[in-house]
Amino acid sequence: NAGVTQTPKFQVLKTGQSMTLQCAQDMNHNSMYWYRQDPGMGLRLIYYSASEGTTDKGEVPNGYNVSRLNKREFSLRLESAAPSQTSVYFCASRTGPFDTEAFFGQGTRLTVV
Amino acid sequence: QKEVEQNSGPLSVPEGAIASLNCTYSDRVSQSFFWYRQYSGKSPELIMSIYSNGDKEDGRFTAQLNKASQYVSLLIRDSQPSDSATYLCAVTGSGGGADGLTFGKGTHLIIQP
Repeated sequence: NAGVTQTPKFQVLKTGQSMTLQCAQDMNHNSMYWYRQDPGMGLRLIYYSASEGTTDKGEVPNGYNVSRLNKREFSLRLESAAPSQTSVYFCASRTGPFDTEAFFGQGTRLTVV
Repeated sequence: QKEVEQNSGPLSVPEGAIASLNCTYSDRVSQSFFWYRQYSGKSPELIMSIYSNGDKEDGRFTAQLNKASQYVSLLIRDSQPSDSATYLCAVTGSGGGADGLTFGKGTHLIIQP
């Protein structure tokens, strides 16, 4: 049982380049999330999807777009990468909102130069 | 805006002693509370969840919740060097708006052999 799988694990981009981070879960979870983690800032929610077909902004959505492709997959796109987007990105999923724990992917370490 | 506050540490505890980690939250209607452990360079992993006032024990870990004081804590008994990590407190509310977990910035725990 793979859980939550993110690709790639590492990526270096030049300023202005675009890329998509992929996330897939095999736990039949309804809700999926993208977080970024920066030193001293903790985990901050970028976007989330409460169910297939819906997406909503989190705390730090600027510069990102998301797609909930189906129930399993939730992708995060950087259209024009900036050095401020250098971070570790985590995808997470859980059964539903409110009272269930989230399970995390292994993370993507992104550097924008 | 929900806030979750933790002392960033580092909290240094001798091996075999009790480590006490604390967390306060601002949203009075928060319903579910979680403790995650994160080793350096790894993703967060759930170690405890608690939903009602009082104590919940799981092996060497005890979570304590006091909703009136908006306070949740984690006790680690017989601390081991392998417990050295960053511990994240997470809170989820009653719904409306973002349903993702709100994380504290984490407490860095060091267990001294």
